[in-house]
Amino acid sequence: NAGVMQNPRHLVRRRGQEARLRCSPMKGHSHVYWYRQLPEEGLKFMVYLQKENIIDESGMPKERFSAEFPKEGPSILRIQQVVRGDSAAYFCASSPEGRETQYFGPGTRLLVL
Amino acid sequence: QKEVEQDPGPLSVPEGAIVSLNCTYSNSAFQYFMWYRQYSRKGPELLMYTYSSGNKEDGRFTAQVDKSSKYISLFIRDSQPSDSATYLCAMLTGGGNKLTFGTGTQLKVEL
Repeated sequence: NAGVMQNPRHLVRRRGQEARLRCSPMKGHSHVYWYRQLPEEGLKFMVYLQKENIIDESGMPKERFSAEFPKEGPSILRIQQVVRGDSAAYFCASSPEGRETQYFGPGTRLLVL
Repeated sequence: QKEVEQDPGPLSVPEGAIVSLNCTYSNSAFQYFMWYRQYSRKGPELLMYTYSSGNKEDGRFTAQVDKSSKYISLFIRDSQPSDSATYLCAMLTGGGNKLTFGTGTQLKVEL
């Protein structure tokens, strides 16, 4: 059973460009979460999605960030007009319906030049 | 004040030692408590998951939750060099969906 998959693993963008991060949850999992880990800081919740629905986006910055989890295909975290402060590791996690345990992917490390 | 406090370490112990890792928290609504292990430049790996107060054992790992003191612990027996990693505590409120993490404790087990 494959774990949570994320791609790309590393992403380099110049200021002002767009970053698209993809996450495929574990098989049988219908809940997806995105977290951000800044250097020397803990993981911070960003958004929680189920298929075609954003359930909780209380941790998402109000501007430039968006997330989706379409009926078909992976969940996407999109960052428009990236700035240097967006440089971080972005982790996706998934859980099955009705379960509290969240399983994390390997992360995407975004570097903004 | 952070909702979850965790000593960042680093903590260095000899192989075979018993390791104690701890977190304190302030939100009494937390009901689910997890420990994750994160190797350098990897994703967090779920180690232990506990609901409410009490102990849970899995091999060399024991998780303890004391809700009255708002204090959780992870014990590692017979520590191995392969246990060298950052250990993150995480918590969830009942019915909640977003994990609140400590900043992690860096552990090094020396030969």
